[in-house]
Amino acid sequence: ETGVTQTPRHLVMGMTNKKSLKCEQHLGHNAMYWYKQSAKKPLELMFVYSLEERVENNSVPSRFSPECPNSSHLFLHLHTLQPEDSALYLCASSQGTSAYEQFFGPGTRLTVL
Amino acid sequence: LAKTTQPISMDSYEGQEVNITCSHNNIATNDYITWYQQFPSQGPRFIIQGYKTKVTNEVASLFIPADRKSSTLSLPRVSLSDTAVYYCLVGGLTYNTDKLIFGTGTRLQVFP
Repeated sequence: ETGVTQTPRHLVMGMTNKKSLKCEQHLGHNAMYWYKQSAKKPLELMFVYSLEERVENNSVPSRFSPECPNSSHLFLHLHTLQPEDSALYLCASSQGTSAYEQFFGPGTRLTVL
Repeated sequence: LAKTTQPISMDSYEGQEVNITCSHNNIATNDYITWYQQFPSQGPRFIIQGYKTKVTNEVASLFIPADRKSSTLSLPRVSLSDTAVYYCLVGGLTYNTDKLIFGTGTRLQVFP
């Protein structure tokens, strides 16, 4: 049990659908992250929130929209995705950013048809 | 941010000691060195972190030479369950825009 939960664990959606991924951390951390991991590729950092403020946006397509309503919750809103967006989406949290230990959730396996 | 370089893959046998070396020539004074382990379809898990010399915990040791331009993760007596991808990262303890970059990692395969 890592203290970071993600829902849903699996998601299949069409290219015209709108869905949201949810992440919740119970560790009292101040930073939360969204990562994307495609098959046999490195982890790609998508978004970082520190103290509820977004501090990094790695030129992620606008069809991915993050939301961090408070320090315990993080959402990733998805719309008009492409098949190449199919991947494992991981949420993580840490006390601070950078070298602070990141605790990862189990991930959401997303398939875009 | 310091860039890291590590071998793409390594093979070992059960019971052997495995050493994975990471190069980070541009490490900054306030950077720490952190190693993570990742199993398929799971998020990475923190293994060990150090700043200089040697750090040891219940699962691994981390050796850092005086110039800190490289580091070596040592896994004593590996088992089949140690088969995973191992990532080396460098970064400082901050609350600002610094971030850790997960590179390609080292894929360790342990054979019976």
